Amino acid sequence: EPEVTQTPSHQVTQMGQEVILRCVPISNHLYFYWYRQILGQKVEFLVSFYNNEISEKSEIFDDQFSVERPDGSNFTLKIRSTKLEDSAMYFCASSENAGGETQYFGPGTRLLVL
Amino acid sequence: DQQVKQNSPSLSVQEGRISILNCDYTNSMFDYFLWYKKYPAEGPTFLISISSIKDKNEDGRFTVFLNKSAKHLSLHIVPSQPGDSAVYFCAASRAGGYQKVTFGTGTKLQVIP
Repeated sequence: EPEVTQTPSHQVTQMGQEVILRCVPISNHLYFYWYRQILGQKVEFLVSFYNNEISEKSEIFDDQFSVERPDGSNFTLKIRSTKLEDSAMYFCASSENAGGETQYFGPGTRLLVL
Repeated sequence: DQQVKQNSPSLSVQEGRISILNCDYTNSMFDYFLWYKKYPAEGPTFLISISSIKDKNEDGRFTVFLNKSAKHLSLHIVPSQPGDSAVYFCAASRAGGYQKVTFGTGTKLQVIP
């Protein structure tokens, strides 16, 4: 069964450093998303991406965040200057169609900012 | 932002019995309601969804009921199995164009053998 994959599974970084989280969405999917879950809190939407541009972003997704689809298979989330409060589980998701009905999630990257 | 609420943080059920997980929402503009299952250190796994124009959707042991007037939905698992033990997230989205999924806080289900 096709699945969304994410690398790395864990990332530890120093405050102020840049991190890039990588995702490989399901191959025939056209809509891509990033979510995060801070420990003990709910899963929160960060950004959606379609046709090589951001289609929607939340208040969390400020200028420190960026997304990119550098080639036909990868989808990346970059945090330019990490803060302690960026420590969370980051989930990539993809969907085949435009509706939010069925988004498939990757296993997540656990980011720890020290 | 409490658009999707799950008021029970945990639920314990005996194997073979019915598990009922509840969810309330406030935004009447949602078009789809979804349930995701999540194991520790894994991403949410899509389980079942229901369109806002329906009141019931069934898939094997899983049935989701939607009461639009009460802005309430529930997930029924019958019969419950130990492998169902996980955190269940209620979620909602709108149709049309790259719509985000709004999650509830989750209910941890434990099915006791």
